[in-house]
Amino acid sequence: NAGVTQTPKFQVLKTGQSMTLQCAQDMNHEYMSWYRQDPGMGLRLIHYSVGAGITDQGEVPNGYNVSRSTTEDFPLRLLSAAPSQTSVYFCASSPRTGRETQYFGPGTRLLVL
Amino acid sequence: KQEVTQIPAALSVPEGENLVLNCSFTDSAIYNLQWFRQDPGKGLTSLLLIQSSQREQTSGRLNASLDKSSGRSTLYIAASQPGDSATYLCASLGGSTLGRLYFGRGTQLTVWP
Repeated sequence: NAGVTQTPKFQVLKTGQSMTLQCAQDMNHEYMSWYRQDPGMGLRLIHYSVGAGITDQGEVPNGYNVSRSTTEDFPLRLLSAAPSQTSVYFCASSPRTGRETQYFGPGTRLLVL
Repeated sequence: KQEVTQIPAALSVPEGENLVLNCSFTDSAIYNLQWFRQDPGKGLTSLLLIQSSQREQTSGRLNASLDKSSGRSTLYIAASQPGDSATYLCASLGGSTLGRLYFGRGTQLTVWP
């Protein structure tokens, strides 16, 4: 199993541009989530999904959209990038409800100029 | 809101020492507590998960304890090695948002030969 994969590894955007961060898992996990990690702060939950077709907001959802059309994929969309969205983004998955061990991807480092 | 604090923020020890990393949380109504390892530029790797009904978990040279009533968890690393150098994160799971982990800022550990 590849586990949780994320693409791209690094991206530079200009303010106002849009992009999609990709996340995929091959473990047939129902629960998937997105976190951002900023210097001096703990990871913060952006959005999560408990299964295909079901998504919900986390702690810091503004400026981000998600959808879950398949069990495997959970893309994160930045609609109009802002410098405040410069961060490292991590995708995670767990087998069912998110209350089990969570498995994290390698991260996407995003710089918004 | 759950607040998770990790002390110390950084720790530097010689190889072979036994060491303890501390984690405290403000809301004792947690479902579980997880310890993660993060290497520079990498994702998070789950080390141990302690359910709220458990007192400790062990994996190899690692032992994690949980005291819900006092809001504390410790990660004990025996016979430290240079390969243990990384940032260690603790995260509590609980609250109304399913699968939401509340992360501390981490302890950056350096083990020198």
